[in-house]
Amino acid sequence: SQTIHQWPATLVQPVGSPLSLECTVEGTSNPNLYWYRQAAGRGLQLLFYSVGIGQISSEVPQNLSASRPQDRQFILSSKKLLLSDSGFYLCAWSVWLSSPLHFGNGTRLTVT
Amino acid sequence: QQQVKQSPQSLIVQKGGISIINCAYENTAFDYFPWYQQFPGKGPALLIAIRPDVSEKKEGRFTISFNKSAKQFSLHIMDSQPGDSATYFCAAQGGETSGSRLTFGEGTQLTVNP
Repeated sequence: SQTIHQWPATLVQPVGSPLSLECTVEGTSNPNLYWYRQAAGRGLQLLFYSVGIGQISSEVPQNLSASRPQDRQFILSSKKLLLSDSGFYLCAWSVWLSSPLHFGNGTRLTVT
Repeated sequence: QQQVKQSPQSLIVQKGGISIINCAYENTAFDYFPWYQQFPGKGPALLIAIRPDVSEKKEGRFTISFNKSAKQFSLHIMDSQPGDSATYFCAAQGGETSGSRLTFGEGTQLTVNP
């Protein structure tokens, strides 16, 4: 069966520090991969998605970037965190363009 | 238009009651309408989904009602239980050529009192 791993579960970082969140999917090949951000326990905002290795689409201009170095690995990064980057970051995957999304358990990021 | 409007923002129901959450969309190209359930500190999980070729889909205590002409769909939770307390998101998808860009509603925080 397919599983999605996301780490770390929680992270506290100072303003101006770099960020790297990692997500991996097991049990499937060439998944579509996504990064979402959720503020205040509500509202899911799509940040990035990828339909293949090295292919990244950005939905919202921001202080973050994404990379997909391997088929089932998706990384969310920032060179310098802002206070506004705090939130709950969720990785997700899907098999086809129109198939259901499967979410990881998220990373709670607090920028201080 | 990509917006999906969800209401209410919060809902309190007594155990055994019916919980109803409504969503409306604008983009007639949407062809897949899932509902996600999210417990605190966890990622959303797919609960139930419907395509516009049917007007209703039922899975256990959860039912989606779909009105294509009105561009509305709703989630009904029958015999609501305290364990159903969670945030529920409706979503819509389709009409895109790249990525599975689900458009989510803003969520409804459901509390079922014992």
